[in-house]
Amino acid sequence: DSGVTQTPKHLITATGQRVTLRCSPRSGDLSVYWYQQSLDQGLQFLIQYYNGEERAKGNILERFSAQQFPDLHSELNLSSLELGDSALYFCASSKTAGELFFGEGSRLTVL
Amino acid sequence: QQPVQSPQAVILREGEDAVINCSSSKALYSVHWYRQKHGEAPIFLMILLKGGEQKGHDKISASFNEKKQQSSLYLTASQLSYSGTYFCGTPGGNNNDMRFGAGTRLTVKP
Repeated sequence: DSGVTQTPKHLITATGQRVTLRCSPRSGDLSVYWYQQSLDQGLQFLIQYYNGEERAKGNILERFSAQQFPDLHSELNLSSLELGDSALYFCASSKTAGELFFGEGSRLTVL
Repeated sequence: QQPVQSPQAVILREGEDAVINCSSSKALYSVHWYRQKHGEAPIFLMILLKGGEQKGHDKISASFNEKKQQSSLYLTASQLSYSGTYFCGTPGGNNNDMRFGAGTRLTVKP
């Protein structure tokens, strides 16, 4: 158990819909990262927050947005969903330095 | 900004050795290595810091040459449990902007 909690674990929805993925970081970790992993692909960096502020941005689509709340949990919002958005979405947390701890991921299926 | 890993895939027999390479076009503060089993979350293996320090984790070790902006992961006397996909990660300062390579799929056969 990494201490990072992601919900939901599985999500099935239709094209055009909007979903929200939630992440609770490990206690004391201020950084939250979001990654997208399509089938048997690598970890594509989407976005990072540090203590409520956006710290770095990857190739995140305009249809996607995220935020980190004062209690440090984070949400990733995916809208106008397309078939290609089907993937495993990982959240990870870390302190200012050191290892990233990954949650178990949220598997999104868009039909 | 994404580091480049090679090879893409490796197939070994138990007891054989392997090397996975990671290179970056940007200056590196550190290099992280993670292993991911199919359908699971990536698990941290080790961090390499500036100074060419070599670290070890069981029979897995790694080196980091910041001048060449490269790191290598060494797996010796491989075990079945080593199978998985290995990712190197290259953060900016303060662990910001952590990018991962495309991964190296390692298969260890009996």
